Amino acid sequence: SYDLTQPPSVSVSPGQTASITCSGDKLGDKYACWYQQKPGQSPVLVIYQDTKRPSGIPERFSGSNSGNTATLTISGTQAMDEADYYCQAWDSSSVVFGGGTKLTVL
Amino acid sequence: QVQLVESGGGVVQPGRSLRLSCAASGFTFSNYGMHWVRQAPGKGLEWVAVISYDGSHKYYADSVKGRFTLSRDNSKNTLYVQMNSLRAEDTAVYYCAKPQAAGILFYSFDIWGQGTMVTVSS
Repeated sequence: SYDLTQPPSVSVSPGQTASITCSGDKLGDKYACWYQQKPGQSPVLVIYQDTKRPSGIPERFSGSNSGNTATLTISGTQAMDEADYYCQAWDSSSVVFGGGTKLTVL
Repeated sequence: QVQLVESGGGVVQPGRSLRLSCAASGFTFSNYGMHWVRQAPGKGLEWVAVISYDGSHKYYADSVKGRFTLSRDNSKNTLYVQMNSLRAEDTAVYYCAKPQAAGILFYSFDIWGQGTMVTVSS
């Protein structure tokens, strides 16, 4: 089975840049996407097709994907960005999620 | 607006069955494959299964294969999952999720329901 690995936690100061990685074998050959999930809420798509932002997602969210690693970058991080973030990829018969990263803004 | 509403969760004993529903509105349900994703308490997201737009293709995670069955009624804009032989490890919030693009079975999910809690306990 295909696995995606994320760091369990990332900390960032307000206004700084946060980077969350997602690693998988030849992940760059697939599309990756990212979800934000706040406590008690359903996940929200923040990046799809590696780099694209859905409408309504702030420009400070960006993504990249190359080699074995996809990265979610939050520029000028705000307190409201504190949440769990999950990467996702898929193949011809299944969907895979990373284990999730808790982003703390302190 | 585009909306997914799950129902049918509850407390069930190990080995028993439960059927969850997901009512869709605001988009052409019959054009989209649909997924179930679950989240155990305090844990991450786990993909469960997908059904194609017409119900002809279904794929399941190994953890539920042979126990869970997806179906859909396009006349009622509703997705179902029949869960049999439930185990304690099936305890989770179950979400239905819509892919961004019609006609593509595996893609990113732009719409999620609010989830329904399933607790498997004696």
